[in-house]
Amino acid sequence: AQKVTQTQTSISVVEKTTVTMDCVYETRDSSYFLFWYKQTASGEIVFLIRQDSYKKENATVGHYSLNFQKPKSSIGLIITATQIEDSAVYFCAMRGPITGNTGKLIFGLGTTLQVQP
Amino acid sequence: EAAVTQSPRNKVAVTGGKVTLSCNQTNNHNNMYWYRQDTGHGLRLIHYSYGAGSTEKGDIPDGYKASRPSQENFSLILELATPSQTSVYFCASGDAGDSSYEQYFGPGTRLTVL
Repeated sequence: AQKVTQTQTSISVVEKTTVTMDCVYETRDSSYFLFWYKQTASGEIVFLIRQDSYKKENATVGHYSLNFQKPKSSIGLIITATQIEDSAVYFCAMRGPITGNTGKLIFGLGTTLQVQP
Repeated sequence: EAAVTQSPRNKVAVTGGKVTLSCNQTNNHNNMYWYRQDTGHGLRLIHYSYGAGSTEKGDIPDGYKASRPSQENFSLILELATPSQTSVYFCASGDAGDSSYEQYFGPGTRLTVL
């Protein structure tokens, strides 16, 4: 069965620093997709970034980047130059291959990030 | 402009009553999903749909029904609401055939069953 685990319940950092959030996953699929979502204080869930399992390059979008370590089944989220507004809950999620897949996501329990001034 | 909307945003229901949560998407995605979010459990899939007229059971379908009358609309129905169904419900849309593959979420509905 697929499973996504985020071991860090909460992290606190000072703004303008870099933070890394951990995520490990379990799957038997040879092809899969990994995502990070952000849930703001208002409850809104926003897609941030995606990593395709067959790609060796780490994905980067703005000040978000990923540390994909396939042999370790690990997909860390790195936020550089953190800002106060980055304070939120961050969810890691996984889905199976495109062909014949429902597209459903398996989520981790989330990591709460607090960015302090 | 929001591509996935939900109504109502807040709902208080009585035990045994019927509750319908509605979702509308303008992404033209084939797939739509209903999740509930609870502390300690994260987001869990209740029902999903591949397109108009189809509904499929997710991981926790008991006590819920779903309806997909059109590409744009997907409803979650609680025929006999119970206090254990008090939660925040999120609708999402996505498309297995879309190159982006990710899902886009609505703003959520907070349901309280008394």
